[in-house]
Amino acid sequence: EAQVTQNPRYLITVTGKKLTVTCSQNMNHEYMSWYRQDPGLGLRQIYYSMNVEVTDKGDVPEGYKVSRKEKRNFPLILESPSPNQTSLYFCASSPKIWDLGNYGYTFGSGTRLTVV
Amino acid sequence: QKEVEQNSGPLSVPEGAIASLNCTYSDRVSQSFFWYRQYSGKSPELIMSIYSNGDKEDGRFTAQLNKASQYVSLLIRDSQPSDSATYLCAGLDSNYQLIWGAGTKLIIKP
Repeated sequence: EAQVTQNPRYLITVTGKKLTVTCSQNMNHEYMSWYRQDPGLGLRQIYYSMNVEVTDKGDVPEGYKVSRKEKRNFPLILESPSPNQTSLYFCASSPKIWDLGNYGYTFGSGTRLTVV
Repeated sequence: QKEVEQNSGPLSVPEGAIASLNCTYSDRVSQSFFWYRQYSGKSPELIMSIYSNGDKEDGRFTAQLNKASQYVSLLIRDSQPSDSATYLCAGLDSNYQLIWGAGTKLIIKP
């Protein structure tokens, strides 16, 4: 089954403790993206990657890191999480960035992160 | 002004009626437009996309795009309780970035 897999689904952590949210897709998509979703603010892009070793900042990159060493994986790293990073996070992919107009995104099931 | 704007709702519609969801957008957003449905705590699912002025129909769903007035709408005919969800509008900008509205919560009352 074609899918985007995120782990974990739920995570409660303490301020300052480094964490990684994994994202993997099995569709050979080149374009991958991370979003956070907060009530009233909608989906905001954190980082995106057009292909292996090519990443770029989205609208809200502060406090996050990403890497794209393999095509299928795009982990999101919070080096020192803070309470304002409590949010619902989604990983998403599309065949290529210019395929967004035709296919939109395939989303992962989400990670609900709470930082206390 | 937000670049993609939606009324947050909730919009309450009786079962079997037509639900009408609207979205306006700024000059930054000028290409393809999308409607996603999102159930509470779940990921967004693509319902429809539209690129050209006019209507596009898919089953009970009709998307309408009016570029002159900068709005896009989604009509859901014969609304069902299972249509109760938040509907996200998104548009593609010239850098191929999707710009999202905050969503409209739709409630279908049996």
